[in-house]
Amino acid sequence: SSELTQPPSVSVSPGQTARITCSGDALAKLYAYWYQQKPGLAPVLVMYKDTERPSGIPGRFSGSSSDSGTIVTLTISGVQAEDEADYYCQSSDSSGTYWVFGGGTKLTVL
Amino acid sequence: EVQLVQSGAEVKKPGESLKISCKASGYNFNNFWIAWVRQVPGKGLEWMGINHPGDSDIRYSPSFQGQVTISADESMNTVYLQWSSLRASDTAMYYCARRSEVMGHGVDVWGKGTSVTVSS
Repeated sequence: SSELTQPPSVSVSPGQTARITCSGDALAKLYAYWYQQKPGLAPVLVMYKDTERPSGIPGRFSGSSSDSGTIVTLTISGVQAEDEADYYCQSSDSSGTYWVFGGGTKLTVL
Repeated sequence: EVQLVQSGAEVKKPGESLKISCKASGYNFNNFWIAWVRQVPGKGLEWMGINHPGDSDIRYSPSFQGQVTISADESMNTVYLQWSSLRASDTAMYYCARRSEVMGHGVDVWGKGTSVTVSS
């Protein structure tokens, strides 16, 4: 299956660690990408190829993959109020020309 | 600066046609895939299709195949998304997005989006 499943919401207090998961069978063979989207704005890439952080993304963002490879996790350490946003995982086939997005997770900073 | 500049908001009636655009600048237009992504108000991101202007290779999501047409004009460095007969359910924000060639297959540049409202 090419579906990606995310929890609808995650809530954390400032300074705590937020973990957002994305699960799907395809992730065992294909990379995951994570996007942050704030209200009224276009998404922004915050993690690529499971664990790589683009230039300009704070070091408190990190990515990991489970042993089975079917679950990837975006971790935000020391969450700040500005991290409140929707987060989407995405994957693609090996050629990068067939994409799928997860349903998105709303991160609330309490 | 690498940019994708999208056309302005549209308000249309059901059954009307529409073509929205995404103009690229700051890089070699022919070397990168450009995708279209839909976001219905209050909902998530949906991949619609992807276009490689350099060789006119176009792929569609099965969910959007036959519903929209993606095209490109190399002379204008512009990609397009068009509908022949709009429905109310097409009301959404539409983003164009450049697929990176150095960060795997992630999107490294997004347009700001084009809002399309279809209402009688």
